[in-house]
Amino acid sequence: EPEVTQTPSHQVTQMGQEVILRCVPISNHLYFYWYRQILGQKVEFLVSFYNNEISEKSEIFDDQFSVERPDGSNFTLKIRSTKLEDSAMYFCASNRGAQETQYFGPGTRLLVL
Amino acid sequence: DAKTTQPPSMDCAEGRAANLPCNHSTISGNEYVYWYRQIHSQGPQYIIHGLKNNETNEMASLIITEDRKSSTLILPHATLRDTAVYYCIVRVQYGNKLVFGAGTILRVKS
Repeated sequence: EPEVTQTPSHQVTQMGQEVILRCVPISNHLYFYWYRQILGQKVEFLVSFYNNEISEKSEIFDDQFSVERPDGSNFTLKIRSTKLEDSAMYFCASNRGAQETQYFGPGTRLLVL
Repeated sequence: DAKTTQPPSMDCAEGRAANLPCNHSTISGNEYVYWYRQIHSQGPQYIIHGLKNNETNEMASLIITEDRKSSTLILPHATLRDTAVYYCIVRVQYGNKLVFGAGTILRVKS
């Protein structure tokens, strides 16, 4: 069964550094998403992406964040200058159509020191 | 998006059916009920979804009341591996994002 994959599984970085989190969505999917979950809190929507542009973003997704689909398979989330409060699990998701079921990856645990 | 209300936690004996309720009294006609679960900080796992009719798949059954204001997720024979946080999410038919609440922590005990 096709799965969403994410790398790395864990990332430790220093405050102020840039990080890039990578996702490989399911191959025939067209809509891509990033969510995050701070430890002990709810899963929160960050951004959705379709046809090489952002279709929706939350208030969390400020200028420090960006997304890209650099090739036909990867979908990345970049945080330009990490803050302590960016420490969280980051989940990528994808679906074939906007109204179809979203499937999530296993997540990247980001720790900012 | 319509708001959902779920009990914060439930216990279930291994091998018994787990019935997880969800209230969504403000649901509108084109909004689907989705269930996901999250096992110990792993990525949310899709379980099942429905609009009006009851649905069943290999993982679970979804019972939606006739007025659509509430639903129940049924895991017919719960195992220890079903211990997780279960999220009931109401989603517009053509909406993109999923809005997660706190969910129900289901503890399956031997």
